[in-house]
Amino acid sequence: ETAVFQTPNYHVTQVGNEVSFNCKQTLGHDTMYWYKQDSKKLLKIMFSYNNKQLIVNETVPRRFSPQSSDKAHLNLRIKSVEPEDSAVYLCASRWDGYSNERLFFGHGTKLSVL
Amino acid sequence: AQSVTQPDARVTVSEGASLQLRCKYSYFGTPYLFWYVQYPRQGLQLLLKYYPGDPVVQGVNGFEAEFSKSNSSFHLRKASVHWSDWAVYFCAVSPITGNTGKLIFGLGTTLQVQP
Repeated sequence: ETAVFQTPNYHVTQVGNEVSFNCKQTLGHDTMYWYKQDSKKLLKIMFSYNNKQLIVNETVPRRFSPQSSDKAHLNLRIKSVEPEDSAVYLCASRWDGYSNERLFFGHGTKLSVL
Repeated sequence: AQSVTQPDARVTVSEGASLQLRCKYSYFGTPYLFWYVQYPRQGLQLLLKYYPGDPVVQGVNGFEAEFSKSNSSFHLRKASVHWSDWAVYFCAVSPITGNTGKLIFGLGTTLQVQP
């Protein structure tokens, strides 16, 4: 059962365009994340948001920016896409209770940059 | 540095056969360990998780994993594989301290099931 919803499922665009992906979780979780999964299936964390604060920001290019209106939403904007941005972007959420490291993932948004 | 190694990119087994997917981790101390599964065109789903305690943990759909501190391993096992188990399996590690939810994933092992 899906409780982390991502839109769109797929997006095809050209180099230099701006794109934005949406993510919403209905689990009442405290923290949300964006992961990037490349063509070799490698998963790397990009951002996490807790109470509207960016608490983890890995060394991603500045053209990427997370945007959150409340703790149930975390969108991802890419200002000017590059070919290497082609990947699947996975949104996840987590409850911040003690010893609870479990992440709940959305189905992903697949980005293809031509 | 923390890392996870899944030495087998692809494993093929016959339906009904037993399965072991290997995972080695590198971490100073005792971490939380996870196995996630990714079915085609879906996000990751948790199979099982290890917190310090019983080294053998049971998961969903008949999966289990065994933690070994001496071998720095957390191998996934299943006694009898079903065709629906065809998926990519990810091992992940997370530090106990900090409670950041930041997971470090291995590269994944694709499980193919032959009829």
